Order: sequence, then C-alpha cells, then structure tokens
Amino acid sequence: KQEVTQIPAALSVPEGENLVLNCSFTDSAIYNLQWFRQDPGKGLTSLLLIQSSQREQTSGRLNASLDKSSGRSTLYIAASQPGDSATYLCAVRPVGYTGGGNKLTFGTGTQLKVEL
Amino acid sequence: GAVVSQHPSRVICKSGTSVKIECRSLDFQATTMFWYRQFPKQSLMLMATSNEGSKATYEQGVEKDKFLINHASLTLSTLTVTSAHPEDSSFYICSAVNSRQGNQPQHFGDGTRLSIL
Repeated sequence: KQEVTQIPAALSVPEGENLVLNCSFTDSAIYNLQWFRQDPGKGLTSLLLIQSSQREQTSGRLNASLDKSSGRSTLYIAASQPGDSATYLCAVRPVGYTGGGNKLTFGTGTQLKVEL
Repeated sequence: GAVVSQHPSRVICKSGTSVKIECRSLDFQATTMFWYRQFPKQSLMLMATSNEGSKATYEQGVEKDKFLINHASLTLSTLTVTSAHPEDSSFYICSAVNSRQGNQPQHFGDGTRLSIL
C-alpha cells in the first residue's frame, strides 16, 4: 500500500527566505507526482505536475524535483512571500490503476506560514 | 483553466438529515469524478470514484448506503450523505477529470464544510 509522507508538518519562515518542502513515498511505481496548494477552508490548487520520466518542473518561483527511485520529491519556493502561506500537499498517481481517471494518494501536508 | 464548482460551500443541519452536495465541471467533460473527505489538519482521503453513467467504486471502509453518489451526466456528480450524524461532520471535496484525454490532472472544487449538530 502506497504511503506518502511530508516533512515538516509545519514551517514558519520570514519573508524572502528560500525554502524546501519534502515529500516521500514508499512505492516507486508511480505514474506522476503532483504538488498542490490548499488555503484554509478551500479546495486544492494544482501547482506542478511531474511525470515519472521527468526530474523536475518549474513554474515561476516554484521548482519541484522528483527522484522516483528513492521515493522522494521536493518543492522549492524561492523568495517566499506572505501570500505563499498555505498548506502544501503532494500526491502520487500509481501505475496500473484501472478504476478510471487518475486516482491519487495524498501526503499529510506541510502547513507553511511566511511572516512579514 | 478548468473550473469545478462545488455547492453548497457550507451546511449546518440537525442529526438525521440527508444532505446533498453537488460537483459540476463548468468547461470540460468530467468523465470521472472523485469524492474526498478531509478531517482537520489531515490529508484528503478518497471516498469513492465515479465514472459517468456507471456505479461508483467505493474505497474500503466507506459505506455506499451512507454516501450515495450519482454521476448521471458529464458535468454533474452528487454526493448525498444520508441520515447524517455528528461523526459525518467533515470537509468534503470533489475533483473531476476527463479520463478520455489521457494523462490529465484532476481539478478540484472548493469543498463543502458539513457540520451536523
């Protein structure tokens, strides 16, 4: 059974810092990995999606890397801003799921607070 | 980008009431929709997967008679929590994807906060 873990569970940093969020998964047979942002009381916003054949994806100040063989992904946020404060979730899609669509297994999330 | 609308955003009702939550894809064909449940400070737990025109597939431990899912069209899926009790209070989130188009990401609704008194 796939298990997805995120460290740290919570993080507080001053504005302007570069930071790294970690995600690890136990089964390397994944189709892709996705990073999401969740604001309090809201749904999820997709940030980056990395295919299993890719090593990294970039969008603006965000960079996500994937090391499938070691079961790890990192989300790097450059020059953090107070507006980046949210919970960040990673999720993996398994290979071979036949239930229709793309079933995801989510991590427990990292709650980020960027202070002025 | 793709938009998924979830309604209502918040429900407060008495124990024993049945509550219906709607999930609509506004600008794409949602051949598959997922329903998740999220407890405070925890991650999303998949409850069920529904394919348009078919019966939903429920995850282990999820009561199908308690959580009724209907996915009768390519733009709408509903989750009905029947005879809700306080332990059903949670944050419910839907997502939608066009699974006919290969490797597409899921698009999520804004969630429904259900509080049973």
